Amino acid sequence: GAVVSQHPSWVICKSGTSVKIECRSLDFQATTMFWYRQFPKQSLMLMATSNEGSKATYEQGVEKDKFLINHASLTLSTLTVTSAHPEDSSFYICSASLVDKQYFGPGTRLTVL
Amino acid sequence: GENVEQHPSTLSVQEGDSAVIKCTYSDSASNYFPWYKQELGKRPQLIIDIRSNVGEKKDQRIAVTLNKTAKHFSLHITETQPEDSAVYFCAASKGINAGGTSYGKLTFGQGTILTVHP
Repeated sequence: GAVVSQHPSWVICKSGTSVKIECRSLDFQATTMFWYRQFPKQSLMLMATSNEGSKATYEQGVEKDKFLINHASLTLSTLTVTSAHPEDSSFYICSASLVDKQYFGPGTRLTVL
Repeated sequence: GENVEQHPSTLSVQEGDSAVIKCTYSDSASNYFPWYKQELGKRPQLIIDIRSNVGEKKDQRIAVTLNKTAKHFSLHITETQPEDSAVYFCAASKGINAGGTSYGKLTFGQGTILTVHP
């Protein structure tokens, strides 16, 4: 139980394009999902909290117009990286809350050329 | 906001030895402390967690202790095996009692690279 999927697992795009990443809770409903970013050999940095049916809450320093989050249903949240640049290249991981535990997706490796 | 410090950053042990990783947190309102194991390129996996109303929790070879007064908690792995080699992260949150949009928000430690030598 408590399985979270993420799609795609990796993506390569050109600078200036937009990329959408999907996060799904497969066997439970998640009112709250979270988006993290992880650079090599570093910890997970929370980008934003995604709440079903309402606007996401962004952490300080995260541009909400660049990282668009939509949580349209209790099992799906999406992160869109708009006008991606090479510095946006990273490992993006989502998690979904079940009670007070968080279960993580497998991550998406984004490479911007 | 919450700040979580984790030590050591790297830990190398021989198979069969014990490993201990320590974390401190700053926000006394934090009440939920999970530990995650992350293998290279994989997702973090929850291995054990503890709530603030408990001082110790054990699951086979893994145990976690919590000292609320000192605001620190530790992960103990006994009889380590090579497959325990990974990066371990501690985290803290206000858990189920949090209000508003920060419900369950986790603050992670910096991570510990554990290497178990056969």
